[in-house]
Amino acid sequence: DGGITQSPKYLFRKEGQNVTLSCEQNLNHDAMYWYRQDPGQGLRLIYYSQIVNDFQKGDIAEGYSVSREKKESFPLTVTSAQKNPTAFYLCASTRGNLAKNIQYFGAGTRLSVL
Amino acid sequence: ILNVEQSPQSLHVQEGDSTNFTCSFPSSNFYALHWYRWETAKSPEALFVMTLNGDEKKKGRISATLNTKEGYSYLYIKGSQPEDSATYLCALNTGTASKLTFGTGTRLQVTL
Repeated sequence: DGGITQSPKYLFRKEGQNVTLSCEQNLNHDAMYWYRQDPGQGLRLIYYSQIVNDFQKGDIAEGYSVSREKKESFPLTVTSAQKNPTAFYLCASTRGNLAKNIQYFGAGTRLSVL
Repeated sequence: ILNVEQSPQSLHVQEGDSTNFTCSFPSSNFYALHWYRWETAKSPEALFVMTLNGDEKKKGRISATLNTKEGYSYLYIKGSQPEDSATYLCALNTGTASKLTFGTGTRLQVTL
């Protein structure tokens, strides 16, 4: 089945540690996105990529890094510089870059700090 | 940062009730308004994408309208069923790539 796979489902980070969240899609979509959800807030955009080897910062990029070496993969690294990493992280993708293109989402990763 | 607001924050209705939610957004630089349904323990799924002022979309018992001049969209659910229980998200696209700015969502709970 085509879709977006995020792993792991749950992740724990120790102080000062970098952790990487995986996002893989087999939909042949060009654009991919990372969102963060905190209680009482909407999904906030961390980073997005419209094409392989290119990505842009979203609204809350500080303390995060990404790469887009393959079309189907868009991993997110939560660095030690992110002081409040506890949140639910969602990855999404779209077929192109038109405003009307719907986003397809993964099931999310919940990150907690030990 | 754009401000997309949804109301109410949560809603509790009984099976068979009809209900509606509001999404408000800045009307300048409008390109598209998306609605998503997010059921617990699942991924958000698209319901509608609307691009034109006056657009109306329908999917079964769920429909949506759009007013881009005044900056709002309504989502209606007719005859709510327990399976409609979910968080309903609206999201605005202002034309920068296919970036979306999401509202905080309306959480709907339908009981028997």
